[in-house]
Amino acid sequence: QVQLVQSGAEVKKPGASVKISCQASGYTFSPSLIHWVRQAPGQRPEWMGWINAGNGDTEYSEKFQGRVAIKRDTSANTVYLELSSLRSEDTAIYYCARDDGRGTPGTFDIWGQGTLVTVSS
Amino acid sequence: DIQMTQSPSTLSASVGDRVTITCRASQRIHTFSAWFQQRPGKAPKLLIYKASNLESGVPSRFSGTGFGTEFTLTISSLQPDDFATYYCQQYYSYPLTFGQGTKVEIK
Repeated sequence: QVQLVQSGAEVKKPGASVKISCQASGYTFSPSLIHWVRQAPGQRPEWMGWINAGNGDTEYSEKFQGRVAIKRDTSANTVYLELSSLRSEDTAIYYCARDDGRGTPGTFDIWGQGTLVTVSS
Repeated sequence: DIQMTQSPSTLSASVGDRVTITCRASQRIHTFSAWFQQRPGKAPKLLIYKASNLESGVPSRFSGTGFGTEFTLTISSLQPDDFATYYCQQYYSYPLTFGQGTKVEIK
């Protein structure tokens, strides 16, 4: 079946970087858009950016510009989120999500299971 | 950024009730809105896209309407599985944004 499977939980110190993976299966990986969305405890989801798995184009939220990079490995049907200069406010569950592909990009029909990132000294 | 504001924040209802959640966008977004259901410890699940289109596999008791700045999600007859938090989302412009959520609780 169509699914996105993410890497496991991470614990990082402030100032460090984290890299999370998201492996797709059950559908044609390229071309598709994969988004990253995070959700802090008790908060609404927050969109971070997307990557076109086909050509590697990216779009990032301005809030994360300079700290975020989304990359893909088409041979492994995998997308990566890298977030640097971590601070305590980055503690959240990070989700990858497939764009529904029905015209205008921007909503999400398949989600990964989530990866908890905890930033603590 | 486009702000999405939901009301109410919490809703108490009984099985069988008709429930309506409203979402207001801070500027016009045509029909570029979606609704998600999220259960505790789970990822959000797409219910409605492009304001009124039911996602495949979602029960027909869920429906969405709206255009411009006002959007609604209606559950025609609340079922035990429906007690969860619901989020609206806009995809008219970047950054994509979500409402603050509406928690549907058992009365």
